Amino acid sequence: KNEVEQSPQNLTAQEGEFITINCSYSVGISALHWLQQHPGGGIVSLFMLSSGKKKHGRLIATINIQEKHSSLHITASHPRDSAVYICAAYYGGATNKLIFGTGTLLAVQP
Amino acid sequence: EPEVTQTPSHQVTQMGQEVILRCVPISNHLYFYWYRQILGQKVEFLVSFYNNEISEKSEIFDDQFSVERPDGSNFTLKIRSTKLEDSAMYFCASTGDFRDLQHFGDGTRLSIL
Repeated sequence: KNEVEQSPQNLTAQEGEFITINCSYSVGISALHWLQQHPGGGIVSLFMLSSGKKKHGRLIATINIQEKHSSLHITASHPRDSAVYICAAYYGGATNKLIFGTGTLLAVQP
Repeated sequence: EPEVTQTPSHQVTQMGQEVILRCVPISNHLYFYWYRQILGQKVEFLVSFYNNEISEKSEIFDDQFSVERPDGSNFTLKIRSTKLEDSAMYFCASTGDFRDLQHFGDGTRLSIL
């Protein structure tokens, strides 16, 4: 069964801390997406990666295909980073849907 | 920057009524999706649409659900006879290439009474 697991479920950090959110998936994928869900509910796509590392501002996403694991890092965290961060797997082939993880609720305190 | 827009932002409907959720995808995108998120749960895939037909649907997407792209710009999700368990946030997404990032709307919160 294609499953996507995230850890931790909840994360509280102090402003300025380096944050890591982890994602693992059960079978081989074509790509792994990271998304951000705002407190109001809207979803924003952050990254899609199938190998290596991508960086955008203070956000860095990495993936290890052999270990079926991806991480999202936030450097110099800020209270405005508070949101739910979700990883989603794209398995490719006959399907083009995303399979979502349960999300990590991040709260960055000033 | 172009964005996906969804209307209404909140819909309250009596059980058994029909509801239509509307989405305007990004104009040059070709692949369209509906997802839903029941309160407190993860986002779930409902249906994908390409070249004016459904390309994939989940087991949630039963005969009560339908999708349409009536005029080349709008993309709609219809629920024929709503049930209490249809209460959820419904997200529309689009992409120009199915291997690329999907762009999401802000969602429609559907409340069934």
